[in-house]
Amino acid sequence: AQSVTQLGSHVSVSEGALVLLRCNYSSSVPPYLFWYVQYPNQGLQLLLKYTTGATLVKGINGFEAEFKKSETSFHLTKPSAHMSDAAEYFCAVRGAGNQFYFGTGTSLTVIP
Amino acid sequence: DAGVIQSPRHEVTEMGQEVTLRCKPISGHNSLFWYRQTMMRGLELLIYFNNNVPIDDSGMPEDRFSAKMPNASFSTLKIQPSEPRDSAVYFCASSLGETGGTDTQYFGPGTRLTVL
Repeated sequence: AQSVTQLGSHVSVSEGALVLLRCNYSSSVPPYLFWYVQYPNQGLQLLLKYTTGATLVKGINGFEAEFKKSETSFHLTKPSAHMSDAAEYFCAVRGAGNQFYFGTGTSLTVIP
Repeated sequence: DAGVIQSPRHEVTEMGQEVTLRCKPISGHNSLFWYRQTMMRGLELLIYFNNNVPIDDSGMPEDRFSAKMPNASFSTLKIQPSEPRDSAVYFCASSLGETGGTDTQYFGPGTRLTVL
């Protein structure tokens, strides 16, 4: 079975500070992992994804995530937060079929 | 590419009324997903289709909910009769449907449903 756990439903950082959003996964098959971002009143947009190969994945808007098999983690980071990064972030793992299993989301607040 | 299109964007209805939500997936995508998002329960998968065939509807909450995909470019989610607890944002997503591949889901803007 596949699942993801996002630690921390709310994260606040100061503008310019490091952003770290945590995601741990459980998967019975080699995982395909995704991060999505949702801005207010919008749908989910793909930030980045890990399939195979390089474990450090770079996405849009300066975000990146590192797949660590030993830790079953796929944490999302950004070196310097911007006000426009304030949004809801979802981690997801793809199951054996086409289903995605989403985490409960982390709301990121950026403090000026 | 226009992306996933959903209509209406907002729907306000009264309890007991029938509600129909519509989705047009990205052209060429073979998989379509319906999700519901609420503050209490987060993002829930309701049903998904591969090649217009429902594959897993275990997330459909009750018999009041039904979904159809009559062709590759159109899907509906119907609630009849609607209840206040159905108030939520309903998202449609589509993907190429490549099993075992690096399939990515693309989401529509959602339909915000309010049942009074």
